[in-house]
Amino acid sequence: IAGITQAPTSQILAAGRRMTLRCTQDMRHNAMYWYRQDLGLGLRLIHYSNTAGTTGKGEVPDGYSVSRANTDDFPLTLASAVPSQTSVYFCASRLDRGTGELFFGEGSRLTVL
Amino acid sequence: GDSVTQMEGPVTLSEEAFLTINCTYTATGYPSLFWYVQYPGEGLQLLLKATKADDKGSNKGFEATYRKETTSFHLEKGSVQVSDSAVYFCALSRTGAGSYQLTFGKGTKLSVIP
Repeated sequence: IAGITQAPTSQILAAGRRMTLRCTQDMRHNAMYWYRQDLGLGLRLIHYSNTAGTTGKGEVPDGYSVSRANTDDFPLTLASAVPSQTSVYFCASRLDRGTGELFFGEGSRLTVL
Repeated sequence: GDSVTQMEGPVTLSEEAFLTINCTYTATGYPSLFWYVQYPGEGLQLLLKATKADDKGSNKGFEATYRKETTSFHLEKGSVQVSDSAVYFCALSRTGAGSYQLTFGKGTKLSVIP
């Protein structure tokens, strides 16, 4: 089934540890995004990539890094996790033409203790 | 900068009641407007969209009209069902500095009781 796959689904992590959230899409979309969802704050953009080989910062990029080595994969890395990074993380992709609809993965719930 | 404001929830309705979730926006230019829905334990999915003023988006009995004069995109449904229980997000698109991004509202949780 075409779509976006995120892994892990859920993770508990000790503060200070390094963590990479994986995101893979098979729709050949050029643009990809990482959002975090927090109660009362909605979705906030962390990083984005318009096409393979390029990335950009969103609204809340501090403490996170991304890479885009190819079209399909867009991993999000927390170099040294902190409790304020406890959140649900969503990866999304978009065809770079048309109405601008984003397609979302099912999310990765991260708890930093 | 661009922003989206939607009514705070939670909203609890009885089955077959009328639903309105208000959404207003602030943006430069002419953004496209969206409503996304998030069912429990799932990611967001597009519910409907409108790309220019006076357009009406509709899907699954939900409707929203792009009102430029009031900068609004209110979501309505005439008769809600239990299966409509979810979190609803209003969003607008913007393009700038070579990127295309969606800005989301904070979400409104809807619970429909039998």
